[in-house]
Amino acid sequence: DQQVKQNSPSLSVQEGRISILNCDYTNSMFDYFLWYKKYPAEGPTFLISISSIKDKNEDGRFTVFLNKSAKHLSLHIVPSQPGDSAVYFCAARGDGLIFGTGTRLQVFP
Amino acid sequence: DSGVTQTPKHLITATGQRVTLRCSPRSGDLSVYWYQQSLDQGLQFLIHYYNGEERAKGNILERFSAQQFPDLHSELNLSSLELGDSALYFCASSATGTGMNTEAFFGQGTRLTVV
Repeated sequence: DQQVKQNSPSLSVQEGRISILNCDYTNSMFDYFLWYKKYPAEGPTFLISISSIKDKNEDGRFTVFLNKSAKHLSLHIVPSQPGDSAVYFCAARGDGLIFGTGTRLQVFP
Repeated sequence: DSGVTQTPKHLITATGQRVTLRCSPRSGDLSVYWYQQSLDQGLQFLIHYYNGEERAKGNILERFSAQQFPDLHSELNLSSLELGDSALYFCASSATGTGMNTEAFFGQGTRLTVV
């Protein structure tokens, strides 16, 4: 039973354009959500988070949006850069941090 | 550098054997989480310890066990190893188990290969 889902395994975006990564969850008790970025052979790196009492949190080029009624969050990266190419995981705080399966983002020139 | 240290980085062992993976959390962090990542799949939550006590269990097999010691380092014990246990095992730590400061910082992982 996958409580946190990232339905797009991969995304390809041109440099300078917006990248939108999506995440859905099933448990309405989740109250805190996080995005992590992961390069091959490295541990995930924390990127940005949002509390369930907010609907938006912004940090530089990264913005996370939360739609509680739809149980949906998204990560916007603008403008996208080649260095953003990585696997992005969303996570929700429940019993531990529950991760989605990840979306591989490729930013091409 | 996240401040979370995992040893060893690589481990190769035979089926049926037992191994211990070690994690030292960031200084001051009370929570330790263990995750398994197989074949470039998602991160499967195994177990969470907070200040020495088990806080939550995920998809952890009965052949696996973990503990957190008084100095807050943690060990993940994997026994009766099978080929399918080959994976990257990540440890993460956070300051608390709940509350706003729940960002978890990950170690570099231990790559376990069972042959």
